Amino acid sequence: QKEVEQDPGPLSVPEGAIVSLNCTYSNSAFQYFMWYRQYSRKGPELLMYTYSSGNKEDGRFTAQVDKSSKYISLFIRDSQPSDSATYLCAMSGTSYDKVIFGPGTSLSVIP
Amino acid sequence: ETGVTQTPRHLVMGMTNKKSLKCEQHLGHNAMYWYKQSAKKPLELMFVYSLEERVENNSVPSRFSPECPNSSHLFLHLHTLQPEDSALYLCASSAAGTKLTGELFFGEGSRLTVL
Repeated sequence: QKEVEQDPGPLSVPEGAIVSLNCTYSNSAFQYFMWYRQYSRKGPELLMYTYSSGNKEDGRFTAQVDKSSKYISLFIRDSQPSDSATYLCAMSGTSYDKVIFGPGTSLSVIP
Repeated sequence: ETGVTQTPRHLVMGMTNKKSLKCEQHLGHNAMYWYKQSAKKPLELMFVYSLEERVENNSVPSRFSPECPNSSHLFLHLHTLQPEDSALYLCASSAAGTKLTGELFFGEGSRLTVL
């Protein structure tokens, strides 16, 4: 079983739609959960950072963590063409530990 | 000026060549990383330097050789590579020090093609 699984897509939605991106993981020691956005020909940039379970909202973006199900989600409201990118989930443990990335989901928002 | 700068952006090399990738961070961070990104695969951590000391070598073949002369610069020396080494090589930095759970700041990557 892979440590972090993520549907690679591609996912195509119309402008204004609500987008749901998800990851599952197997390591119960993970405590820090992140979403990175990577535009074509660019490096990943951190979008959302949450610790432990719960929700975190930042503008049109909401990150959810359900540690009991080992499942994390990123919701994008009122999606825009500028949201078209690959979204990488990432997570790590509490101590000296490396960040583990999912393979990424490619999203296209069609005007 | 971007926080993490990588050069060259594109590199084509033969299997017998020797080349180097360079990374420079202007963020005052004390940890630097090399990641490999291949199509449809998760980012693979290759090397980590914390306070200029290598703290992780993730079973990377010896044809990849990292160098961290100071906290702002990181190199990846390449020699006798294989075609399967063709990928996007990403440099990142963080302020985490020995607790490597902090936010990673990535460069734009060096796209390597091995012929």
